Amino acid sequence: DVKVTQSSRYLVKRTGEKVFLECVQDMDHENMFWYRQDPGLGLRLIYFSYDVKMKEKGDIPEGYSVSREKKERFSLILESASTNQTSMYLCASSLLGQNQPQHFGDGTRLSIL
Amino acid sequence: GNSVTQMEGPVTLSEEAFLTINCTYTATGYPSLFWYVQYPGEGLQLLLKATKADDKGSNKGFEATYRKETTSFHLEKGSVQVSDSAVYFCALSPYSGGGADGLTFGKGTHLIIQP
Repeated sequence: DVKVTQSSRYLVKRTGEKVFLECVQDMDHENMFWYRQDPGLGLRLIYFSYDVKMKEKGDIPEGYSVSREKKERFSLILESASTNQTSMYLCASSLLGQNQPQHFGDGTRLSIL
Repeated sequence: GNSVTQMEGPVTLSEEAFLTINCTYTATGYPSLFWYVQYPGEGLQLLLKATKADDKGSNKGFEATYRKETTSFHLEKGSVQVSDSAVYFCALSPYSGGGADGLTFGKGTHLIIQP
């Protein structure tokens, strides 16, 4: 089975801090994704990557950046955390191709105080 | 742009009832369609998918048929169980010809099954 592991289930940080969320997948997937999930808004794509060192903006990239130095690892960075970035963050991975399903981690619930 | 609309709920049913969760989409080209399920405290799991018009996806007693004429992908199950209580997301993947694309999700439907 595909395993997507997010480094923390719960995280509390302060406004203005630089925050790193880590995601690792073990199935040699080319694609990796970061979403945030908010009540009433569903899931929204922040960034994705289809190869090492490659990244593409999703629907809501403002205030975020990403890093993919190795194929199995995709990091989401909040450069200067703000309270409106309090959310559930979900990482996913997939093989290349339109019909490939995405496999999700269990999520990181991030609170910015 | 692409969008997915689904009933938000919560939808409350009794055990063994028939379930329908409606999903309609807007997309250019020929998207693939998915249903994901999220159990409490967990990430999303793929439930079923359909990649072209008139395809039927099925899994664990759930079914959905890709209807291009009505741009719909409604989720159905003939007899629900308490263990089906979860949040269900309809999603689409746009045609891209290759490379990565993020999914466009509906807002999710919270399903509650009472014994």
